[in-house]
Amino acid sequence: AIQMTQSPSSLSASVGDRVTITCRASQGIRNDLGWYQQKPGKAPKLLIYAASSLQSGVPSRFSGSGSGTDFTLTISSLQPEDFATYYCLQDYNYAFTFGGGTKVEIK
Amino acid sequence: QVQLQESGPGLVKPSQTLSLTCTVSGGSISSGSYYWSWIRQPAGKGLEWIGRIYTSGSTNYNPSLKSRVTISVDTSKNQFSLKLSSVTAADTAVYYCARGAEYSSSWAFDYWGQGTLVTVSS
Repeated sequence: AIQMTQSPSSLSASVGDRVTITCRASQGIRNDLGWYQQKPGKAPKLLIYAASSLQSGVPSRFSGSGSGTDFTLTISSLQPEDFATYYCLQDYNYAFTFGGGTKVEIK
Repeated sequence: QVQLQESGPGLVKPSQTLSLTCTVSGGSISSGSYYWSWIRQPAGKGLEWIGRIYTSGSTNYNPSLKSRVTISVDTSKNQFSLKLSSVTAADTAVYYCARGAEYSSSWAFDYWGQGTLVTVSS
């Protein structure tokens, strides 16, 4: 099974900061990766699909990049509503796997 | 607007079978090129994909759970279901159902249920 290693597991940042989260796949997955945001007690929400495409309705401060094994989610200017946990998900093969998550907390 | 809603017992005894149903509203479960998935999350932990089903009946399961999981679909009721056998306390989690859709030759979960907590305890 493809392993997804997400880092960091948590970070503290201030409103307005640029935040970067990475995911590394144990083997090449082309661009078959999505990013999800989850707030406490809520279901995850799709932010990015196909590694770099912004889901409809998601603010443009979110962006994704990468291909193959290394991927990045960037929040260009952190807003109060962005404090949440973020997960990557690979959908390259028939056994999907999530990264371990990154909790973004207020500094 | 597509909506998904999980239902089923919130408490299951060890060694028994966990059974959940996801009811889809706002669209036919058999229209379009979608698959329907189950995902779970133990308290304070990350997300784990359990498996998926196409409306054709074709399924894929997480290899770590494959021996215990069955996902089925009932298009007449616009529902799909999860059965997880021989449960233990490690299966205690919030269980989500979700729709997978194809986006630019990739797939993503674009609609999710609110989640339902299932506790395994005697």
